[in-house]
Amino acid sequence: KNEVEQSPQNLTAQEGEFITINCSYSVGISALHWLQQHPGGGIVSLFMLSSGKKKHGRLIATINIQEKHSSLHITASHPRDSAVYICAVRSSQGAQKLVFGQGTRLTINP
Amino acid sequence: ETGVTQSPTHLIKTRGQQVTLRCSSQSGHNTVSWYQQALGQGPQFIFQYYREEENGRGNFPPRFSGLQFPNYSSELNVNALELDDSALYLCASSSFRGTGIYNEQFFGPGTRLTVL
Repeated sequence: KNEVEQSPQNLTAQEGEFITINCSYSVGISALHWLQQHPGGGIVSLFMLSSGKKKHGRLIATINIQEKHSSLHITASHPRDSAVYICAVRSSQGAQKLVFGQGTRLTINP
Repeated sequence: ETGVTQSPTHLIKTRGQQVTLRCSSQSGHNTVSWYQQALGQGPQFIFQYYREEENGRGNFPPRFSGLQFPNYSSELNVNALELDDSALYLCASSSFRGTGIYNEQFFGPGTRLTVL
């Protein structure tokens, strides 16, 4: 079982829909990251969370430390939101690495 | 402020050859991490460099090695290339301020390596 699991793996929706992507992890963490990857490979960091909730434009990220679960929400989705969204965690055991989920491929149709 | 840059963007090599990939950190960052991302998978941690020394390593064989220079730029070297080394190689820089204090990582665009 992977330390970081995302669901769904693929998601197709219509423009304007509210999108939720989930991330569950099995280790103690010091931080959780949500990342966006477009075709071609470049990764953009969307959020870094250790508790609570963060909002940036139409994007909202929440984390529940007790339940070891985080969600990324997109309101009023748009075709330009189409990308792979990746959850990554940094262990609280002092490890330097990020452990990544397998990603959620989001496609927003006009 | 310049972002993280990587070179080259694409590279084709044959089995058994050696390759060097380069990464320039974002201004002010002292830590570089390297990741391998196979097609359709999430990135896997290779290693991290802090102040020119390896500061953590993932499950990669010794033929994967690295360097960090005084200006905090970095190289990833892979010897004796295998077909399975074909992947997108990403570097990410951050500013590490001491034990337990982690800052956000900023990723470069990646180098796509194809091994034939």
